[in-house]
Amino acid sequence: KQEVTQIPAALSVPEGENLVLNCSFTDSAIYNLQWFRQDPGKGLTSLLLIQSSQREQTSGRLNASLDKSSGRSTLYIAASQPGDSATYLCAVRRGKAAGNKLTFGGGTRVLVKP
Amino acid sequence: SQTIHQWPATLVQPVGSPLSLECTVEGTSNPNLYWYRQAAGRGLQLLFYSVGIGQISSEVPQNLSASRPQDRQFILSSKKLLLSDSGFYLCAWRANGGGDTQYFGPGTRLTVL
Repeated sequence: KQEVTQIPAALSVPEGENLVLNCSFTDSAIYNLQWFRQDPGKGLTSLLLIQSSQREQTSGRLNASLDKSSGRSTLYIAASQPGDSATYLCAVRRGKAAGNKLTFGGGTRVLVKP
Repeated sequence: SQTIHQWPATLVQPVGSPLSLECTVEGTSNPNLYWYRQAAGRGLQLLFYSVGIGQISSEVPQNLSASRPQDRQFILSSKKLLLSDSGFYLCAWRANGGGDTQYFGPGTRLTVL
């Protein structure tokens, strides 16, 4: 059974620092990994998706890496801003078919202090 | 572009009352649809998914049911709510047969008293 862990559960940094968020999974047989952002009381916003054959994906200040063999992914957010404050969730999918559900980590709650 | 709607946004219901939450998707056809629950102190739990009209798969036994009466409409229901049904309910969609990214709706906050 796949288990996804995100440590730390909470993180506080001053504005301008780079953020490093970790995600680990127990079963390396994944199809893809997706990073989401969730603001309080809101739905999930997809940030980046990495296919199992890829090593990293980038979008603006965001960069996500994937090391499938070691069961780890890292989300880097450069030059953090107060607007980056949110909970960040990672999720892995085992296969392409609809029945292959996303397994989520518990999330990392980020606070960027101005 | 595609959008996903959920309503109501918030709901407070007494124990034993019925429930109906609705999710609709615009801008895509024949999507895979999902219902998740996010309870306090717990992660996101997949409740149901659907690959087409009238096709529902349940992930966990529970007090809830789901239906898909139209291609882009997904409904979560209960005949009698329990206290443990409280939580944040999220609907999501993914393109059928090719899309990999899963997109989530704004959610419904359900409080059962």
